[in-house]
Amino acid sequence: AQSVTQLDSQVPVFEEAPVELRCNYSSSVSVYLFWYVQYPNQGLQLLLKYLSGSTLVKGINGFEAEFNKSQTSFHLRKPSVHISDTAEYFCAVSGPSGYSTLTFGKGTMLLVSP
Amino acid sequence: NAGVTQTPKFRVLKTGQSMTLLCAQDMNHEYMYWYRQDPGMGLRLIHYSVGEGTTAKGEVPDGYNVSRLKKQNFLLGLESAAPSQTSVYFCASSSPHFTDTQYFGPGTRLTVL
Repeated sequence: AQSVTQLDSQVPVFEEAPVELRCNYSSSVSVYLFWYVQYPNQGLQLLLKYLSGSTLVKGINGFEAEFNKSQTSFHLRKPSVHISDTAEYFCAVSGPSGYSTLTFGKGTMLLVSP
Repeated sequence: NAGVTQTPKFRVLKTGQSMTLLCAQDMNHEYMYWYRQDPGMGLRLIHYSVGEGTTAKGEVPDGYNVSRLKKQNFLLGLESAAPSQTSVYFCASSSPHFTDTQYFGPGTRLTVL
């Protein structure tokens, strides 16, 4: 079974600073990777996903993530954050070959302050 | 389009009471899911459905039942609520593949006393 580890439960950052949210997965077979965002008191929405091809994936709101198979990681980055990026971010994995439901990490709360 | 809607938004139950949560989607999606979200635990899959009339167990199915009688609706039932079922429940739907984007409802906050 797949599992996802989000190494930081909370990441505080100042506005306009860069940020990286870390995600590691454990699977010996091909996987598909996702980042979802949950704004306060809302449901989740997809930020980006990696299915195949280029290992650098661009998503909405200026976020990007890089799939690193050798390090089994899929870290999320943004070069300059905004107050409105304050939210909880969830990494998720589906595998093998996409024929299984998503397994979510425990989430990382991104706190952006002025 | 309303997307995915959930009814009710909030509910307080006493231990042993029963209730049904309703999820409705207007995107003609084949797949539907029920998750629960607890602090520090992320989202955990309770049950899911890959089509009308079919359901399957997820990671934490005990104490819950589901039904998918119509394609657009997915019901989650608690027959005898327990305090451990206090949580925020999210419904989601997607096109017919597990790697397709899941669209989430706004959630139902349930408290069991």
